[in-house]
Amino acid sequence: EDQVTQSPEALRLQEGESSSLNCSYTVSGLRGLFWYRQDPGKGPEFLFTLYSAGEEKEKERLKATLTKKESFLHITAPKPEDSATYLCAVLGAGGTSYGKLTFGQGTILTVHP
Amino acid sequence: ETGVTQTPRHLVMGMTNKKSLKCEQHLGHNAMYWYKQSAKKPLELMFVYNFKEQTENNSVPSRFSPECPNSSHLFLHLHTLQPEDSALYLCASSQVGSNYGYTFGSGTRLTVV
Repeated sequence: EDQVTQSPEALRLQEGESSSLNCSYTVSGLRGLFWYRQDPGKGPEFLFTLYSAGEEKEKERLKATLTKKESFLHITAPKPEDSATYLCAVLGAGGTSYGKLTFGQGTILTVHP
Repeated sequence: ETGVTQTPRHLVMGMTNKKSLKCEQHLGHNAMYWYKQSAKKPLELMFVYNFKEQTENNSVPSRFSPECPNSSHLFLHLHTLQPEDSALYLCASSQVGSNYGYTFGSGTRLTVV
């Protein structure tokens, strides 16, 4: 069974204080790892997809990286508007998990001005 | 319209009422999902439909009844709900067989009184 664990559960940063969120995973044949951002009361919004170890993707102040066991979401010089819950999910290739995303519990990021 | 549309955005219902949530996807995807998200809890997968056929029911109480009349529409019929059913209900769609993730709707905030 595919599993995703995110840490920390919550992270408080000062504006401009860079940090990283972690997503550890076990999956039967990784077909993709996904990062989403979710604002309170809204649906998750897609950020990145990573497909293979060593891959990196960037968007504004966010950079996602991938190894064979974990992914990091690096936040450089965050701003208050980056405050949200960040979700990680994996898409596996095997058995009953085929076509189905497995989500982590999310990291709640709060950036103080 | 584009993406995944959910209606209504907010719903307040009594425990004896019957109501329905609607989801429509305009992406040509072949799978649709219902998730429940309670306060400070991770996403809980409720139902999965692949090509209009229900392929997963994660031990959801019978007071929740899904319906998928075609690959673009998904409903969640609600009856005799409990206050603990109050949550954000999210619909998502995907293309099974691709390596792309889910596209989520904005959700329906349900309050049971």
